Amino acid sequence: QVQLVQSGAEVKKPGASVKVSCKASGYTFTGYYMHWVRQAPGQGLEWMGWINPNSGGANYAQNFQGRVTMTRDTSITTAYMELSRLRSDDTAVYYCARGPSRVYCSGGSCYFDYWGQGTLVTVSS
Amino acid sequence: DIQMTQSPSTLSASVGDRVTITCRARQSISSWLAWYQQKPGKAPKLLIYKASSLESGVPSRFSASGSGTEFTLTISSLQPDDFATYYCQQYNSYSLTFGGGTKVEIK
Repeated sequence: QVQLVQSGAEVKKPGASVKVSCKASGYTFTGYYMHWVRQAPGQGLEWMGWINPNSGGANYAQNFQGRVTMTRDTSITTAYMELSRLRSDDTAVYYCARGPSRVYCSGGSCYFDYWGQGTLVTVSS
Repeated sequence: DIQMTQSPSTLSASVGDRVTITCRARQSISSWLAWYQQKPGKAPKLLIYKASSLESGVPSRFSASGSGTEFTLTISSLQPDDFATYYCQQYNSYSLTFGGGTKVEIK
């Protein structure tokens, strides 16, 4: 069965960076895009971008351009999201989420069929 | 970015009620719309994709329709497990966006 298991909660100071991991299992890791979505406390969902685990190519939401980097290690079927220059309003739960087979998608854009359990990142001085 | 607007933001209903949630897109997104259910402290769960296709394993009391700019999610007979927050998400454009959410609470 498909599983996405994320790394544990983090507490960071403003200006620091955080790197969250997402270990995938139960499917061919390189066959499906991996997305990252965040949710601030009590707020809605915000898409951050995706990585193509096959090529390593990534597409980032404009709000995060220049601060986010998505990478992967195919040998351990793990995707990573690193966010730099953290601010207090980056405090949120960060989710990895798999995009389904590309045949169900609109070009490079898609929905999310499996989600990780979420990683709480707290930014506080 | 394509703005997605859900209504209502909160809905009070009873077990057995028929419930409808609306999602509007600022511009046409064809049928590239998904619906999710989220419970407190949990990740969202996919319910519907391509506007009206029921995800495998999702109960048939959930249905959805729409195309272009207006979409609806309907729960035919609300069950205790359905009290949650529901989000729509468009995937027509290169930048993916969600609606603000609709919380379905117990009346």
